[in-house]
Amino acid sequence: GENVEQHPSTLSVQEGDSAVIKCTYSDSASNYFPWYKQELGKGPQLIIDIRSNVGEKKDQRIAVTLNKTAKHFSLHITETQPEDSAVYFCAVGDSNYQLIWGAGTKLIIKP
Amino acid sequence: DTGVSQNPRHKITKRGQNVTFRCDPISEHNRLYWYRQTLGQGPEFLTYFQNEAQLEKSRLLSDRFSAERPKGSFSTLEIQRTEQGDSAMYLCASSLGGLAGEQTQYFGPGTRLLVL
Repeated sequence: GENVEQHPSTLSVQEGDSAVIKCTYSDSASNYFPWYKQELGKGPQLIIDIRSNVGEKKDQRIAVTLNKTAKHFSLHITETQPEDSAVYFCAVGDSNYQLIWGAGTKLIIKP
Repeated sequence: DTGVSQNPRHKITKRGQNVTFRCDPISEHNRLYWYRQTLGQGPEFLTYFQNEAQLEKSRLLSDRFSAERPKGSFSTLEIQRTEQGDSAMYLCASSLGGLAGEQTQYFGPGTRLLVL
């Protein structure tokens, strides 16, 4: 079955700097790659997603890149702000629409 | 509010008791998913419905767990004879389902269960 690895587990960056979180997956049939942000005590919130027919997608300060050959995708957050502090999860989906999740990255924005 | 809602938000129960959680998905969404999340981990898939049909169940879903979506709208997740290991956040999500491009899952706030 699908295996998703996410790195790093914790990331601390200075406010205003960029943050990058990476995920790798094992099943080449996977075709859907969302990123979720989860704040304490809340459910995951979708922040951006990408499908296998594109290599990059951007939404304001957030971007996702996908390398299908290498089976990895990354989340890029630029000009980080204190409200970006949260746990970020990558997930991988297939034609059955089930999501397999990474273990999460705790992002800390230092003022 | 047109998002996914879950009730109750918190539940404390004694070992051996039964508990039931409810999820109301986004109204036009055909697919409904249940996940379990423990501290420091990503959500783990439990089961999902396409309309009222339960299409898949994870091996994590023991016989003590049962889920229903009788009219293809709201869903309930029942845990019988709760154990301390059932303590977790139970998350519900919904999606349009069907054709590619409608895979996006939207999550509710979760129900946090504590079994004493």
